[in-house]
Amino acid sequence: DSGVTQTPKHLITATGQRVTLRCSPRSGDLSVYWYQQSLDQGLQFLIQYYNGEERAKGNILERFSAQQFPDLHSELNLSSLELGDSALYFCASSVEGTGIAGLGEQYFGPGTRLTVT
Amino acid sequence: QKEVEQDPGPLSVPEGAIVSLNCTYSNSAFQYFMWYRQYSRKGPELLMYTYSSGNKEDGRFTAQVDKSSKYISLFIRDSQPSDSATYLCAMSASYGGSQGNLIFGKGTKLSVKP
Repeated sequence: DSGVTQTPKHLITATGQRVTLRCSPRSGDLSVYWYQQSLDQGLQFLIQYYNGEERAKGNILERFSAQQFPDLHSELNLSSLELGDSALYFCASSVEGTGIAGLGEQYFGPGTRLTVT
Repeated sequence: QKEVEQDPGPLSVPEGAIVSLNCTYSNSAFQYFMWYRQYSRKGPELLMYTYSSGNKEDGRFTAQVDKSSKYISLFIRDSQPSDSATYLCAMSASYGGSQGNLIFGKGTKLSVKP
């Protein structure tokens, strides 16, 4: 168990809908990262927050947004869902937002499996 | 050309075999190299973490980095059925911001047969 929790485990929804995925980082970790994993694209970095502030953006669509709250949990909002958004969404956390020590040690949650029908 | 290339396999070996998993990359800025193991329906789990070139050993696992060839390897000695999983390489550059986040290979699926 990595200490990172994600809810829900599974989500089935229809095209055009909006969903919210939730992540609680390990105790003491200030950085939260969101990744999307699909069979054809592999694990893709979406966005990173550090202590409530957006730190880095990857391949995140404009229909997607995220935030990190004062208690450090994070939410990923996916709107106007399309069939191609079906994937596993992982949250990871690490102690540092930048710098040598923390870059490698990201701890992943169990993921949320999103199915868009 | 993708930044990180990894043969997806699947790779099937008998128990006790030495397994070699590899990734190549194109971005010479990458300084940190990681291997993650992902069991079916689970999140990736960090196995090994190396900085720059060289070898690192941890039990039955050895990670090698050859920056001149832009090539990294993970060796598993005395492989066990419990090693059956997908192995993902990941790497990042030496500074923060978007370059500091992990770029993953697509993963190699390994099956160790008893």
